[in-house]
This record gives sequence, structure tokens and C-alpha cells, in this order.
Amino acid sequence: AQSVAQPEDQVNVAEGNPLTVKCTYSVSGNPYLFWYVQYPNRGLQFLLKYITGDNLVKGSYGFEAEFNKSQTSFHLKKPSALVSDSALYFCAVREGVSGTYKYIFGTGTRLKVLA
Amino acid sequence: KAGVTQTPRYLIKTRGQQVTLSCSPISGHRSVSWYQQTPGQGLQFLFEYFSETQRNKGNFPGRFSGRQFSNSRSEMNVSTLELGDSALYLCASSLGLGDGYYEQYFGPGTRLTVT
Repeated sequence: AQSVAQPEDQVNVAEGNPLTVKCTYSVSGNPYLFWYVQYPNRGLQFLLKYITGDNLVKGSYGFEAEFNKSQTSFHLKKPSALVSDSALYFCAVREGVSGTYKYIFGTGTRLKVLA
Repeated sequence: KAGVTQTPRYLIKTRGQQVTLSCSPISGHRSVSWYQQTPGQGLQFLFEYFSETQRNKGNFPGRFSGRQFSNSRSEMNVSTLELGDSALYLCASSLGLGDGYYEQYFGPGTRLTVT
């Protein structure tokens, strides 16, 4: 079965500094990887996805993610953090075959950006 | 376009009761998935519906059930509620289940509290 792991429950970073939220995956075949963000009292919002192609994927709100096949990682990054980036971040992988896909989510990483 | 809507937003029930949650997907989206989110377990996949048929199911007891209507609206039902069912229930919609349909769009969730 496919799975993703987010090794950090919480990441603290100062405003203006670069941020990284880590995700590693375990899949058979080609991975389809996603990042979502959840703000308080809200549902999840799609940030970006890796399906194929360039290893550096750019997404919403200035976020990007780097796919590394040899390290089976898909870390989320942003060059300069904002206080408003403080939220819960989820990595996810799609598993299954066409017509029966489902998404497996990591346990989430809480990002706190300090002013 | 209107986003995914879920009703009600908040619900308080007593152990042993049953509850029905509703989800209206984005117009044109035919796939609806349900997730349970708890602080300890993260997001757990419940089931997915496409064209009124359940296409995939997670590892939840039979007390959890769902259905989808011809207009793609979906409901989930939990019977004989237990304290452990207290959670945020998220609905997500996407265009379909084929290889070209990737992102899921989440509603704000229904916060269920079982006392």
C-alpha cells in the first residue's frame, strides 16, 4: 500500500526565513504526490501536485516542492515565510487504479511562522 | 463557481443516536469523497462515490455509510454513535476518477461532537 510520512509534528520558522516542511513517501510505481494546507476552521486547500516532469513543482501562494526519487521525498518549500503561512500542512499520495483512486494523507505538520 | 458546501457545520449528538451529514460538490464534479479528521489519526479516508456508486471504501465499521444522488450531492450516515466518532468530517469533490482528474476540493467540514 502507498503511504506518506511527515516526520515533524511542528515546524517553527521566523518570518522572512526560508521554510521546509518534510514529506517522504512509499509507493509502488510512479508516485502522484500532493500538498494541501488547512487553515483554522476551514477545509483543506490544494497547494500543488507532482505527477511527472520537472522535479521542482511550483504551486499557490509562493510555495514549491521538490520531488526527489532517490530519497523518496517531496518536501514543501518557500523562500520567505509569512506569518499568514501559519497553518496545518498535509502531504498526500494517490493510490489505486483508474476508477478506484483514493488519497492517503500524512498526519500533518503544523507550521508556525513567528513575527 | 461555488465551492464545496457541507451542512450542518456543527452538530452535537448523544451516544447511540444516528446522524446524517450532507455535502454538495462543486458544480460539474461527479466524484465525492469523505474523510474523518481527528487530532490523533489525521485524515482517514471513509469512502468515495462516483455516479451514485461507491467506488472505494476505507477501513471503517459498517456503522458508517454513504450515498450519492443523481445530482452528485452526497450524504454520509453514522448510526449508533460512539464517543470516538467525534471528529471533523470533510467532504471533497473532484471532476472524476480518471487519470486526468487529480485535485480534490474540500468543503469546510462538519464538526461532530458525541456526548
